[in-house]
Amino acid sequence: EVQLVESGGGLVQPGGSLRLSCAASGFTFSSYSMNWVRQAPGKGLEWVSYISSSSSTIYYADSVKGRFTISRDNAKNSLYLQMNSLRAEDTAVYYCARVRTVPYYYGSVGYYYYYMDVWGKGTTVTVSS
Amino acid sequence: SYELTQPPSVSVSPGQTARITCSGDALPKQYAYWYQQKPGQAPVLVIYKDSERPSGIPERFSGSSSGTTVTLTISGVQAEDEADYYCQSADSSGTYLNWVFGGGTKLTVL
Repeated sequence: EVQLVESGGGLVQPGGSLRLSCAASGFTFSSYSMNWVRQAPGKGLEWVSYISSSSSTIYYADSVKGRFTISRDNAKNSLYLQMNSLRAEDTAVYYCARVRTVPYYYGSVGYYYYYMDVWGKGTTVTVSS
Repeated sequence: SYELTQPPSVSVSPGQTARITCSGDALPKQYAYWYQQKPGQAPVLVIYKDSERPSGIPERFSGSSSGTTVTLTISGVQAEDEADYYCQSADSSGTYLNWVFGGGTKLTVL
């Protein structure tokens, strides 16, 4: 069974740090890019960060750039999110999600489209004093 | 910045057809995706590439695209379809890739 399990959430004071983990199983983790997505209480979904299968390409949302670091260990089938300088507005459920990368052609030019086909159940981060 | 706009809520009676729209200027150039989220659960992909349905998703879920608007249609709505639905697309170039979500639509089955 394809599965993603997040861990590492908890209560942290403003300005503090936390490291989230996501354990993957049931698929070849090293072949897939991954995302972190968060959801503040009562709010919608917000993309946080992306990492390619080999870690060669990484993107961040502007809201976390310079404070969060995404990484992965393909040997351990694990994805991580190091969160520093945490703020109250970072309070959310954090989900890891598998990214499908699909090539297509428009005329003779090649492109990719991306979507998230498997999600974990999430881990809760609360930033409060 | 790139935005996707959804109605906050849609209500239908069981057996009727629900249509949830999502508007965004880049949608003519980018595919859209739809996720269903029930309370306390993780999102589930129900439509990808505007209109493709993943395996295991009931046939009553369908997607379409026209200009700057994409639509998720649920035909013969059932009580179990009551959930929040999010559209998602991408803002991309050769140097960045930014996933964008709509604000979500709460589907109520009356």
